[in-house]
Amino acid sequence: KQEVTQIPAALSVPEGENLVLNCSFTDSAIYNLQWFRQDPGKGLTSLLLIQSSQREQTSGRLNASLDKSSGRSTLYIAASQPGDSATYLCAGRGGSNYKLTFGKGTLLTVNP
Amino acid sequence: GAVVSQHPSRVICKSGTSVKIECRSLDFQATTMFWYRQFPKKSLMLMATSNEGSKATYEQGVEKDKFLINHASLTLSTLTVTSAHPEDSSFYICSADGTSGNDEQFFGPGTRLTVL
Repeated sequence: KQEVTQIPAALSVPEGENLVLNCSFTDSAIYNLQWFRQDPGKGLTSLLLIQSSQREQTSGRLNASLDKSSGRSTLYIAASQPGDSATYLCAGRGGSNYKLTFGKGTLLTVNP
Repeated sequence: GAVVSQHPSRVICKSGTSVKIECRSLDFQATTMFWYRQFPKKSLMLMATSNEGSKATYEQGVEKDKFLINHASLTLSTLTVTSAHPEDSSFYICSADGTSGNDEQFFGPGTRLTVL
């Protein structure tokens, strides 16, 4: 059974700082890994999708990496802004029923 | 892009009533949709996989008679919470795979259900 863990659970940084969010998964047989953003009381916004054959994906100030052998993914946010404040969720897709398994998320606060 | 909508966004009902939540894919067809439930400060838990034209596949521990799922068309799936009780109060979110072929999943805005 896939288990996804995100560290830290919460992170507070000053505006402009570069930061890394961590995600680890127990079953390396994943098809892809997806990073999402969730604002309070809202749905999920897809940020980046990394296929199992890829090592990283970039979109603007965001860069996500995937290391299947170690069961880890990281989300790097450059030059953080107050508007980046949200909960960031990672989810691995795989298993016999090809479903997404989510971590509990990292609550990010970027202080102006 | 792949846009998924949900209706209603928020519903308050009395205990014992049934509530229907709609999930629509607005600009693409979705043969498969997913229903999740999220408790405060918890991760999303998959409840069931909704398949167009066939029965939904429920995750272990999810009561199929309690949470009725209907996927009658390629753009609409509905979740009906029957005889709702306060413990059913939660945030329900649906999702669907996009059509780009990379299995990226897109989520609706969620429905906040409060059962009094």
